[in-house]
Amino acid sequence: EVLLVESGGGSAQPGGSLRLSCAASGFPFSSYWMSWVRQAPGKGLEWVASINQEGSEEYYVDSVKGRFTISRDNAKNSLHLQMNSLRTEDTALYYCASGGFYPGSWGQGTLVTVSS
Amino acid sequence: EIVMTQSPATLSVSPGERVTLSCRPSQSVGNKLAWYQQKPGQAPRLLIYGASTRATAFPARFSGSGSGTEFTLTISSLQSEDFALYYCQQYDSWPRTFGQGTKVEI
Repeated sequence: EVLLVESGGGSAQPGGSLRLSCAASGFPFSSYWMSWVRQAPGKGLEWVASINQEGSEEYYVDSVKGRFTISRDNAKNSLHLQMNSLRTEDTALYYCASGGFYPGSWGQGTLVTVSS
Repeated sequence: EIVMTQSPATLSVSPGERVTLSCRPSQSVGNKLAWYQQKPGQAPRLLIYGASTRATAFPARFSGSGSGTEFTLTISSLQSEDFALYYCQQYDSWPRTFGQGTKVEI
C-alpha cells in the first residue's frame, strides 16, 4: 500500500521559514517524480513544485521561485520542501504527491499557517 | 502558464442523473489532462489521466474525453458517493496547473 505522510507544518510569521517532510513507503520511491501541491483554506488546488527521480530537475510555480526548495533523499525515501521568506498567502494545506505529471497518490497534508 | 477553466462552478443534480463537467485549457495540452475527485476533509484522488484513461479505483460510470483545448468528464449515472469537487489539471507544460474546480452537489 502506498503511504505518504507529511510533517513539519505549523505556524510561522511572515518572513519566517519552515521545512516540510514527506515519508514515503509502499512503492519504489527512487523511481518516481515527486511533487508538492497546496490548497489554501476553502480554495482550489495549486501545484507548488516537482522534482525528478535523481533530484537533478526541479520545477516551481512562479509565486514560490527563489523562496521554496524541493529536495529528496532516496536513501531515506523522503521528500522535503524548504520554505523561506514565507508570506501570508502561503497559508495552506500542503500535500505530498507521487508523480510529476498526474500525481497518483497523495498524503493527507500538513497545514502551514503564516500570520503575524 | 496554461490557465485551466472549469465549468460550471457548481452543478446541482440528483442521484441517477447524467453529469457532464467541462475543462478548457487556455492553449492546447494534447491529451495531457487529468481529473481528480476531492471529498470534504480528504486528499484529492486521481480519477482520469491521459484525458480518457480511468484510474483503477473508479467505476466505469466515470469517463473522460477530449483533446487540445476542450475536455469533458462524464458521470453516466450519479451515485451518492460521487458528490464531490472535481478538478482538472494539465501536465503538458510547467508549471502544472489546475482548474478552479466544479462542485457536484445535490
